Amino acid sequence: QVLLQQWGAGLLKPSETLSLTCAASGGSFSGYYWSWIRQPPGKGLEWIGEINHRGITNYNPSLKSRVTISIDTSNNQFSLNVKSVTAADTAVYYCASGGHIVDPTTGWFDPWGQGTLVTVSS
Amino acid sequence: QSVLTQPPSASGTPGQRVTISCSGSSSNIGRKTVNWYQQFPGTAPKVLMHSNDRRPSGVPDRFSASKSGTSASLAISGLQSEDEAIYYCSAWDDSLNGWVFGGGTKLAVL
Repeated sequence: QVLLQQWGAGLLKPSETLSLTCAASGGSFSGYYWSWIRQPPGKGLEWIGEINHRGITNYNPSLKSRVTISIDTSNNQFSLNVKSVTAADTAVYYCASGGHIVDPTTGWFDPWGQGTLVTVSS
Repeated sequence: QSVLTQPPSASGTPGQRVTISCSGSSSNIGRKTVNWYQQFPGTAPKVLMHSNDRRPSGVPDRFSASKSGTSASLAISGLQSEDEAIYYCSAWDDSLNGWVFGGGTKLAVL
C-alpha cells in the first residue's frame, strides 16, 4: 500500500515561487502517474498536473504557463513548482497517485497526501 | 465554473436513500470512467467509488454509483449521520487532456 508524505513552504509573498515535494513509499513508483491537486479555502478541487516515472507530464491548461512538475525516481519523489504566485494560488495542495501508466486517462486518485496549506500574502 | 456539474447541496434523514448527480459532456463522462470522492472537513479526499461503479474495499455497500451517457450518479442508501461530507465526481477530459472535477455536493443528514 502506497503512502504519500508531502512538504514545502506554507507562506509565500506575491510573485514568489511555490515549491512542494511528495515522497511515495511502500508500493510501485513506476506503475502510475503522480498528480498534484489543489483546493482553495472553502472551494472545490482543481487538478494541477501529473507526471510519470519517465518524466512525461500533463498539465491543466489554465495553469500550464506557471507550473512545472518534476520527478526524482531515485528517491521516489515528485515535486511541484508554481511561479509568480498571487493570492489566487492560496489553497491546500495535495499530492496523489492517479492514472495507470498504460493509460493515464483511467484510474483514480488513491492515496492522497496529507495536504499542505499554502498562503500567499504580502 | 467546474467542468462537471453537481448540485451544491443534498440532504436526507437517517435511513433514507439519497442520490447525487454529476453531469458532464462527450469529452469526459461520455467516453471515460467516473470516480467519486468523499471529503470530511480538514481532511484529504478519499476515493469512494471508481471506474463508474466499483467500490474499493472498506467502503460500505450502502454506497453505489452508475453512469449513463454523459451523466453519472452516486447513491447512498440507509443514510447515516457519518455520511455527512462533501462528495466530488471526477473524470478525465479528452478535450482538456486532464482530470476534471465537479464542484462538490455537501450532504447534510437531518
